[in-house]
Amino acid sequence: DQQVKQNSPSLSVQEGRISILNCDYTNSMFDYFLWYKKYPAEGPTFLISISSIKDKNEDGRFTVFLNKSAKHLSLHIVPSQPGDSAVYFCAASDDNQGGKLIFGQGTELSVKP
Amino acid sequence: DAGVIQSPRHEVTEMGQEVTLRCKPISGHNSLFWYRQTMMRGLELLIYFNNNVPIDDSGMPEDRFSAKMPNASFSTLKIQPSEPRDSAVYFCASSSDYNEQYFGPGTRLTVT
Repeated sequence: DQQVKQNSPSLSVQEGRISILNCDYTNSMFDYFLWYKKYPAEGPTFLISISSIKDKNEDGRFTVFLNKSAKHLSLHIVPSQPGDSAVYFCAASDDNQGGKLIFGQGTELSVKP
Repeated sequence: DAGVIQSPRHEVTEMGQEVTLRCKPISGHNSLFWYRQTMMRGLELLIYFNNNVPIDDSGMPEDRFSAKMPNASFSTLKIQPSEPRDSAVYFCASSSDYNEQYFGPGTRLTVT
């Protein structure tokens, strides 16, 4: 039972263009969503988050959009840089579950010069 | 700040042997999480502690897995006996606010 899904295992984008990574969830109790970035041989690192009371959160080149009615969130990276090449995981939590994060399978982003 | 520290970084062992993975969370964090990453199942939560007390161990695969947190600065994940299907990367993470978790570099376990 995959509560958080990232249906695209990989994405290739040209440097300078926009990267859009998508994530869907099934549990309507989720109220906090996060994106993590992972380089090979390293642990995931926190990138950006959004609470369910918002529909957008922006941090520099990174913007996360949340569509609660569609149970969908997306991460936009503009402009994309080669250093952004990594695996991106979305994660969700339910405040009643005490900090437990449910992760998607990840999307491998490749930004080509 | 040293971040979350895990040891060893790599472990190769034979089937049937006991394996112990170690984690030192970030000082001041009161929650600690153990994850396992595999190609098939992605990143899955095994167990987490809050204030050194296990809160949810529903992700622990079976009785061969056990985890302890004897104090706020140390946790272990033990597999006894180990099996080839336990081969994976094991991550430890800690947090202070129940949402943003900080991950260690992981331990790559290979069971032959």
